[in-house]
Amino acid sequence: QKEVEQDPGPLSVPEGAIVSLNCTYSNSAFQYFMWYRQYSRKGPELLMYTYSSGNKEDGRFTAQVDKSSKYISLFIRDSQPSDSATCLCAMIVMDSNYQLIWGAGTKLIIKP
Amino acid sequence: GAGVSQSPSNKVTEKGKDVELRCDPISGHTALYWYRQSLGQGLEFLIYFQGNSAPDKSGLPSDRFSAERTGGSVSTLTIQRTQQEDSAVYLCASSYDNTGELFFGEGSRLTVL
Repeated sequence: QKEVEQDPGPLSVPEGAIVSLNCTYSNSAFQYFMWYRQYSRKGPELLMYTYSSGNKEDGRFTAQVDKSSKYISLFIRDSQPSDSATCLCAMIVMDSNYQLIWGAGTKLIIKP
Repeated sequence: GAGVSQSPSNKVTEKGKDVELRCDPISGHTALYWYRQSLGQGLEFLIYFQGNSAPDKSGLPSDRFSAERTGGSVSTLTIQRTQQEDSAVYLCASSYDNTGELFFGEGSRLTVL
């Protein structure tokens, strides 16, 4: 079992729909949770960054962390064709050994 | 520019040749990462540098792969005796600290014939 599980998709939705992306994890020591977006032939770029359980909102994006269930989500409201990309979750544990672990990424397609 | 710069952007080489890939991180960033990404796949961790600490080399797939970071800034990833399975995009990222805000370059696309 991988430390971080993420459905690779593709996830295809019509423009304007709400998108829900998820990752589950097994290590309860993860402390920081990130969502990155990667367009084709580009490097990933940070979308959202959270530390604690609960919701964090930034414009059309909401990141949700449920540490008790070891589950994180990214919601995209009013999705646009320009949101079509691969979305990757990532997590950090900062105990005696720093570890940054990535999900496999979900390919997201927003149809006009 | 102020971003992470990687060179070359594309490299085609013959099996058995050595290649060097370069990464210029954002000035002041102490952490530097190398990842490999095959077509349609996720990020495969290769190596991590943090300040003056010994690098975490646990992701290097074989002894043909090595990396160094000179003066806490520029990094070079070297692949010796390249194989076809080395073909991938090699991504470099830097960060100011260890909280996960990585800034990626656009990658070096390696093709081994």
